[in-house]
Amino acid sequence: GENVEQHPSTLSVQEGDSAVIKCTYSDSASNYFPWYKQELGKGPQLIIDIRSNVGEKKDQRIAVTLNKTAKHFSLHITETQPEDSAVYFCAASPPSGGYNKLIFGAGTRLAVHP
Amino acid sequence: ETGVTQSPTHLIKTRGQQVTLRCSSQSGHNTVSWYQQALGQGPQFIFQYYREEENGRGNFPPRFSGLQFPNYSSELNVNALELDDSALYLCASSWSGSGANVLTFGAGSRLTVL
Repeated sequence: GENVEQHPSTLSVQEGDSAVIKCTYSDSASNYFPWYKQELGKGPQLIIDIRSNVGEKKDQRIAVTLNKTAKHFSLHITETQPEDSAVYFCAASPPSGGYNKLIFGAGTRLAVHP
Repeated sequence: ETGVTQSPTHLIKTRGQQVTLRCSSQSGHNTVSWYQQALGQGPQFIFQYYREEENGRGNFPPRFSGLQFPNYSSELNVNALELDDSALYLCASSWSGSGANVLTFGAGSRLTVL
């Protein structure tokens, strides 16, 4: 079945620096790759997503890149702010099992220090 | 527009008991899915419901069951609770016509099994 690996598990940056989180997936037929931010005591919140027919997508300080050949995708956060501190999850959607089925990575705990 | 709401927020059960968790979908959404998130891990897909029927399931035993009601709200039932069932249970809803997989998560129900 589909497997998603996420690195690093923890990331500490200074305010204003960039942060990069990387994920790899195993099922080459996966076609949707969302990123979620989870703050303490809250459910995951979608921050950006990308579909397999696009190589890059940007939304203000956040960007995602997808390399289908290598089966990996990355989240880039520029000009980090303390409120970016949270756990970030990548996910991939396999073609079978239901269209709401997402396979999540183990998460990256991002700490942005003022 | 209301988001996804879940109840109860916290509950404690003992091994062997049964539990029912409830979820109200975001307004306008017709599909609901459930995820289990163990401490320090990413969410794991349990199952999804569309038109009141289960139409996708992850690697969970039959003692995990669910319902979807005509108003698109949903329940997750877990029988014969085990210690490993202790986790945050997340409900997510989506609109089937918006493009698959764009999920809105609730804040979750935290279950502790003693």
